[in-house]
Formats: sequence, C-alpha cells, structure tokens
Amino acid sequence: KNQVEQSPQSLIILEGKNCTLQCNYTVSPFSNLRWYKQDTGRGPVSLTIMTFSENTKSNGRYTATLDADTKQSSLHITASQLSDSASYICVVSAMDSSYKLIFGSGTRLLVRP
Amino acid sequence: NAGVTQTPKFRVLKTGQSMTLLCAQDMNHEYMYWYRQDPGMGLRLIHYSVGEGTTAKGEVPDGYNVSRLKKQNFLLGLESAAPSQTSVYFCASSNAQLTSSYEQYFGPGTRLTVT
Repeated sequence: KNQVEQSPQSLIILEGKNCTLQCNYTVSPFSNLRWYKQDTGRGPVSLTIMTFSENTKSNGRYTATLDADTKQSSLHITASQLSDSASYICVVSAMDSSYKLIFGSGTRLLVRP
Repeated sequence: NAGVTQTPKFRVLKTGQSMTLLCAQDMNHEYMYWYRQDPGMGLRLIHYSVGEGTTAKGEVPDGYNVSRLKKQNFLLGLESAAPSQTSVYFCASSNAQLTSSYEQYFGPGTRLTVT
C-alpha cells in the first residue's frame, strides 16, 4: 500500500535554531517527492520538488534531501524564524498515477522566540 | 494574478442541505483538483479534472459531484450534506500531470461544518 509517514508529528524549537523533519515513503513506482509548507488557515505552498535523480534541493533556508534507495527524505530548516511556524507536508507522486498524490499527515513546527 | 481562489471561506450547513463550492484559477491550468483535509490525516483527493468538460473520481468521491464547464472554474457540490463531510476543502490546479515536476497550486481553503 502506498504510504507516506512523517516524523515527528510536532516539534518546538527556539528561534534561530536548526531542525530536520523526516519523511519515509513506500510509494512505488516513484515519480517525485514534494515538500509543502502550510500556514494555519491557509493552503499548502510548495517548497521543493525532487525527482529520482536529485539528492538535494534548496529553497532559501529550506534544504530537502532524498534517498531513493532507502525511500527517505528530510527537510532541514536553517536559522529558524517565527514565520517558519507551520505544518510541513511530505507528498509523493507515483509514476502509475498521473493525477494522484500521496500526502503525509504533516509535521507541525512551532518556533518560539 | 490571483492564483487559485475559493468561495466561500466558511460555511455551516445542516444535515441534508446542499451547497456548491466554487474554485477559480487564472493561470490557464488544464488540471484542477478538489481535496479534503481532516485532522491527523493527509489531504485526500475527492475529484479531479484534466480539462474543460472532463471530471474523474478520486479517492473519496462518495457524496460529492463536480463540474468543469469553464476551464478556469471547478465546482464541488454536496447534494445532501452529512456530518462526515465536515472538513476543510482545498482546490488546486496544475499545468501538467503530477508525475512531472510541475507545481501544484492550492487555494486558501473552505472550512465547512455540517451540523
């Protein structure tokens, strides 16, 4: 069964600190992996999209990594800011379904001053 | 360029009532999607459309109908609302199939409560 699991479920860090969020997936055949940021009361916004051949992708202070062999991805946030407080969702696309994405349930991050 | 917009933002319905959620996009995207988001769960696909005049069922289509009469609009209908349909509904659009690396853009969501 195609699944995406994220850890931790929630995380609290102090402003300025770094953190890493994890994503494990069992989706096959793999097409691409996406990380989204969802602010409270808003729709998800794309941070990165990675294909099978990409190991690392950055978007400002956000860096995503992908290990397609172990089916794991991580999202590293550097020098966190209060505005990073949000849910971060890992999403995987399967090659055999052009229109369906498999969403993780997200990691809720709270950055405290 | 407003991106993806949704109306209404909030709605409370009584069991058995009907309503239509409207999604509009101004990016000339071919593909549009309706999702629901429930606490502790990932977004789930209700229906999607690959172009004007086309619709298809997603993962959780029961109790919902959709129409795509114009390329820029995708309507989600609830004919007889049930408490199990209490959720946050998101519309999204993309310019290509999701197996490509094209972005999928989401609207701000509609929070629906069915009492």
